[in-house]
Amino acid sequence: EAQVTQNPRYLITVTGKKLTVTCSQNMNHEYMSWYRQDPGLGLRQIYYSMNVEVTDKGDVPEGYKVSRKEKRNFPLILESPSPNQTSLYFCASSPQGVRDSPLHFGNGTRLTVT
Amino acid sequence: AQSVTQLDSHVSVSEGTPVLLRCNYSSSYSPSLFWYVQHPNKGLQLLLKYTSAATLVKGINGFEAEFKKSETSFHLTKPSAHMSDAAEYFCVVSGAGGYNKLIFGAGTRLAVHP
Repeated sequence: EAQVTQNPRYLITVTGKKLTVTCSQNMNHEYMSWYRQDPGLGLRQIYYSMNVEVTDKGDVPEGYKVSRKEKRNFPLILESPSPNQTSLYFCASSPQGVRDSPLHFGNGTRLTVT
Repeated sequence: AQSVTQLDSHVSVSEGTPVLLRCNYSSSYSPSLFWYVQHPNKGLQLLLKYTSAATLVKGINGFEAEFKKSETSFHLTKPSAHMSDAAEYFCVVSGAGGYNKLIFGAGTRLAVHP
């Protein structure tokens, strides 16, 4: 089944403790992206990647890192999480860019930072 | 700069009555426009997209949207609501980055009552 898989689904952590949210897609998509969803704000892009070893900042990249060492994987790293990073995170992928191709979303990771 | 405004944060309808979810956009060039739906505890799923072909776009589950350039609108409609339509809906426009960036509206939560 074609899908984007995120893990974990739920994560509670404390301020400053490094964490990684994994994302994997099995559709051989070139484009991958991370979003955070906050009430009343819709989805905001954190980082995206057009291909292996090619990443770029979205609208809200501060406090996050990403890597794209393999085409299928695009982990999101929070080196020193803070409470304002409590949010619902989505990973998404697309065959090529997003102007004409739909995004395929994972089921989300709900992160709480205390 | 590109932006998108969803005019209603909540819409409530009775089962079997029409649905109208309103979206206005601004764009300095011909945009691509999308509607995505998010059911509880799920990722977003594409409902339909407009990419400068026909102005009336048909999507999944009986939804359709009409691109009106003169009104800069892309409202989502459905003739008859079903209980399973209860979800959050996002209007999305391709952003200034063109192929790499999407701008999401804040979302409209649709409630469907028996």
